[in-house]
Amino acid sequence: QVQLVQSGVEVKKPGASVKVSCKASGYTFTSYGISWVRQAPGQGLEWMGWISVYNGNTKYAQKFQGRVTMTTDTSTSTAYMELRSLRSDDTAVYYCARSGGIMVVPLSYWGQGTLVTVSS
Amino acid sequence: QSALTQPPSASGSPGQSVTISCTGTSSDVGGYNYVSWYQQHPGKAPKLLISEVNKRPSGVPDRFSGSKSGNTASLTVSGLQAEDEADYYCSAYAGNNNLIFGTGTKVTVL
Repeated sequence: QVQLVQSGVEVKKPGASVKVSCKASGYTFTSYGISWVRQAPGQGLEWMGWISVYNGNTKYAQKFQGRVTMTTDTSTSTAYMELRSLRSDDTAVYYCARSGGIMVVPLSYWGQGTLVTVSS
Repeated sequence: QSALTQPPSASGSPGQSVTISCTGTSSDVGGYNYVSWYQQHPGKAPKLLISEVNKRPSGVPDRFSGSKSGNTASLTVSGLQAEDEADYYCSAYAGNNNLIFGTGTKVTVL
């Protein structure tokens, strides 16, 4: 069965960086992509971007351009999302989701989420 | 890009139907047949219910159905059950591999 298992809780200070991992299993990792979506406390879902493991393409939401980097390691079937220059309003649960390999949609399977807290 | 517009809440009694709207523009909802719907229970990850406007992944009950007219997509939950009480989000492809989510709707089963 398809599973996406994310890394654990992170607590960071403003200005720091965080790197969240997402280990995939149960499908051919290189045939799909991974999207990253975040959800601030009590708020809705916000798409951050997508990386195609299939062809290496990336697409970042305009809001996060220059501050986020999405990468993959095909040897371990793991995707990574690094967010830099953290601010308090980056406090959120960050989700990875299996996406299309050529198109970002659909987000068919989701990881369990990683809570990132940014606080001085 | 602004989030797609959904009503904040919707409700119905067990066995009834509830319909949730998702309004965007001709650049997202109206421009492509790539509208999806997700269900999220408190403290849990979202789950895909509907893709490509009206396609149900394996395992999703046929009580959930999707449609689209112009710039507005809709999710209908028929035969409401207690376990349908959750938050529901739409998403739409916005071209050039951009994705936008809706504001979310909390469904209450009375």
